[in-house]
Amino acid sequence: KQEVTQIPAALSVPEGENLVLNCSFTDSAIYNLQWFRQDPGKGLTSLLLIQSSQREQTSGRLNASLDKSSGRSTLYIAASQPGDSATYLCAAPFEGNTGKLIFGQGTTLQVKP
Amino acid sequence: DVKVTQSSRYLVKRTGEKVFLECVQDMDHENMFWYRQDPGLGLRLIYFSYDVKMKEKGDIPEGYSVSREKKERFSLILESASTNQTSMYLCASSLLLGQGVFGPGTRLTVL
Repeated sequence: KQEVTQIPAALSVPEGENLVLNCSFTDSAIYNLQWFRQDPGKGLTSLLLIQSSQREQTSGRLNASLDKSSGRSTLYIAASQPGDSATYLCAAPFEGNTGKLIFGQGTTLQVKP
Repeated sequence: DVKVTQSSRYLVKRTGEKVFLECVQDMDHENMFWYRQDPGLGLRLIYFSYDVKMKEKGDIPEGYSVSREKKERFSLILESASTNQTSMYLCASSLLLGQGVFGPGTRLTVL
């Protein structure tokens, strides 16, 4: 069964710093991996989707990489801003190709002005 | 702007009541999901549907049922609400193997 782990659980950085969030998964036969952002009390916003054939995806200041062989994905945030403060979750397919997702516990990021 | 909408942002119900949570998507997605999110437990899949009238149990289906009569609508039903079902409920949809799109969530409190 797929298991997804995110470390650290919480991170606090000063504004302007570049940072990396980590996600590891146990079943490397994944079809894709997604990164989401969640603001307190709100739903999830999809940030990036990396297909299994890709190694990375970029959107603005965000870059996500995928290394299936090591069971790892990273989300790189460049020049962090206070508005980046949120919980970031990664998710991998639960099983097969059904599109069901299993989520990590998330990393709560605080960017201090 | 494509989206997933949920019928209520906040809901307060009493123990034993039958509760309906509605979810609608406008993206013609095949897959629809219901998750609940609790502190320390993360997101857990309750049910999902890959087609109209089709459904499969997720990790924690006990106490819940679902209905998908139309492609765009997926309903979560709490047959007899209990206090341990107090939670944030999140609906999502996706194309097969596609990017998941989530609704804003429903914060349900069962008294």
